[in-house]
Amino acid sequence: EVQVVESGGGLVQTGGSLRLSCAASGLPYTSYWMHWVRQAPEKGLEWISRINNDGSSAAYADSVQGRFTISRDKARNTVYLEMNSLRAEDTAVYYCAFGTGGMDFWGQGTMVPVSS
Amino acid sequence: DIQLTQSPSSLSASVGDRVTITCRASQSISRYVNWYQQKPGKAPKFLIYATSDLQSGVPSRFSGSGSEAHFTLTINSLQPEDFATYYCQQTYRTPFTFGGGTRVDLK
Repeated sequence: EVQVVESGGGLVQTGGSLRLSCAASGLPYTSYWMHWVRQAPEKGLEWISRINNDGSSAAYADSVQGRFTISRDKARNTVYLEMNSLRAEDTAVYYCAFGTGGMDFWGQGTMVPVSS
Repeated sequence: DIQLTQSPSSLSASVGDRVTITCRASQSISRYVNWYQQKPGKAPKFLIYATSDLQSGVPSRFSGSGSEAHFTLTINSLQPEDFATYYCQQTYRTPFTFGGGTRVDLK
């Protein structure tokens, strides 16, 4: 059974930093991309970042470019999202997702409220 | 960035209806469109890959079609468990943008 578990969310002040983690187990493949997607309250989905199979390539949405950094520990099937200079508009549920083309498996989401 | 525009943004339908959701891209994206279903308080569920490939376990009443910049998700004979919000997403080029979503609720 595939399990995807995020952790690290919580209340943070404007300008602060937070590191999210996401660990997967039971994945049916060995080569996959990892993504972070967020959803602000009552809003739609926003893709924010992805990292490739070996961690050599990452991409970001314009809204987080230069502030967020994605990384992965392949041996632990874990992806991280380092978030700096947080703003009120970063308040959202953050999901990680794994897949080979689309996003096959998702975590339950972790809430990050950013407060001034 | 590639923009995806979904229409309608919401619709009301009855059990047994056929529902069609449209996703238009701001440029040609070949067939690099995926579809997701999301229910309130839950993570999205992957439905369709590369325009028309149904994910394992997804009922055959769901289908996808299209190419270039115009794509559709069709649900034949809507079931009670299908009331949800649906999102298209392009994976042609990063950032892998989502459409704004289409909420399907009970008429």
